[in-house]
Amino acid sequence: GAVVSQHPSRVICKSGTSVKIECRSLDFQATTMFWYRQFPKQSLMLMATSNEGSKATYEQGVEKDKFLINHASLTLSTLTVTSAHPEDSSFYICSARRGGGNQPQHFGDGTRLSIL
Amino acid sequence: AQSVTQLDSHVSVSEGTPVLLRCNYSSSYSPSLFWYVQHPNKGLQLLLKYTSAATLVKGINGFEAEFKKSETSFHLTKPSAHMSDAAEYFCVVSVPGEAGGSYIPTFGRGTSLIVHP
Repeated sequence: GAVVSQHPSRVICKSGTSVKIECRSLDFQATTMFWYRQFPKQSLMLMATSNEGSKATYEQGVEKDKFLINHASLTLSTLTVTSAHPEDSSFYICSARRGGGNQPQHFGDGTRLSIL
Repeated sequence: AQSVTQLDSHVSVSEGTPVLLRCNYSSSYSPSLFWYVQHPNKGLQLLLKYTSAATLVKGINGFEAEFKKSETSFHLTKPSAHMSDAAEYFCVVSVPGEAGGSYIPTFGRGTSLIVHP
């Protein structure tokens, strides 16, 4: 149980394109979803936290208008990278948590985004 | 505010020997603690969690961790390393946010486990 599906796994696109990444909890309802960015050989950097039906809470330094997060239901959150540029190339990972903070996160397999 | 320190960026062991990955935390509240493993180009998989029950926690794949409040530690161990254990390991602490709000997990920097044949 507690499977999180993240799609697509890899995206290669031209500069200026907007890219949407989906994160779905397949067998549980996720009260909270997290979006992370991971640079090579580094830890995960939290970008934003989203609770179903409310606006996402962004971490300091993360542009809200650049990284649009929608958490429309208890099983789906999306991250849209708007007008992507090469510096946005990275590994993006989502996670979903059921219930309170003493519950573990369940992670998607990540999305490798490459902007040419 | 909470923080997590993974003391070693790399740990190298021979196959069949014990594994010790160290994690220390600081927190004003009683924390929940987790260990995750990440294989290359993959998401993270939960190994085990501590949430104020037994201080010795057993996880998957033969891993276990002991919560020591006096030492503010949550080290991950395994009696005998396997080649498939080679991966990145993350220690995570989770405590209530300000005013008892949403728990925000804090990640350690990660420890790369290298297993030699």
